[in-house]
Amino acid sequence: ETGVTQTPRHLVMGMTNKKSLKCEQHLGHNAMYWYKQSAKKPLELMFVYSLEERVENNSVPSRFSPECPNSSHLFLHLHTLQPEDSALYLCASSDTGRGRIAGELFFGEGSRLTVL
Amino acid sequence: DQQVKQNSPSLSVQEGRISILNCDYTNSMFDYFLWYKKYPAEGPTFLISISSIKDKNEDGRFTVFLNKSAKHLSLHIVPSQPGDSAVYFCAASVDSSYKLIFGSGTRLLVRP
Repeated sequence: ETGVTQTPRHLVMGMTNKKSLKCEQHLGHNAMYWYKQSAKKPLELMFVYSLEERVENNSVPSRFSPECPNSSHLFLHLHTLQPEDSALYLCASSDTGRGRIAGELFFGEGSRLTVL
Repeated sequence: DQQVKQNSPSLSVQEGRISILNCDYTNSMFDYFLWYKKYPAEGPTFLISISSIKDKNEDGRFTVFLNKSAKHLSLHIVPSQPGDSAVYFCAASVDSSYKLIFGSGTRLLVRP
């Protein structure tokens, strides 16, 4: 098993659909993140969960709804998306404990989302 | 306005030569900088980092240089290998926090 696993790897959905992206980390980390990568743009931080509590929202539209039931699992629920939401969605985890390299994130392979 | 900028979208280097990837930042509060590498169809992987109290950090073939007065950092890869061909992202944070600000990436191609 890889450290951070994302499913599905590819998703095509219509603007009226409801779907979810799933992320699971097997590293024992205590923080999980959703990033969005659009073409030729920097990675954008969407959400951070630390110890199952959401600590960063970053003004993401409400059509994106995160859920973190425990420290190993993270979901991104998608509803009524727009074509401009088409992007690569990356999940990451980190250990924010003492002695760890600050900011060292472990990324999953990403979920490529296309909104028609 | 991007706080972390990678102005070169691509770079092509001959195998065995040095690759130099550049990154500029605007926020003087940034105190921790990282480089990530990303292969196609994979997530980014951490490569090397540097704290603002240092001006150089070396790890094998990879060296990161930080010039705080110029708000500039660079990643040197020497010697470059074809397997280094990937997209390289620089990132920065304030107070070494979990909130990383990424650049838009530079695609490196190392020609055999």
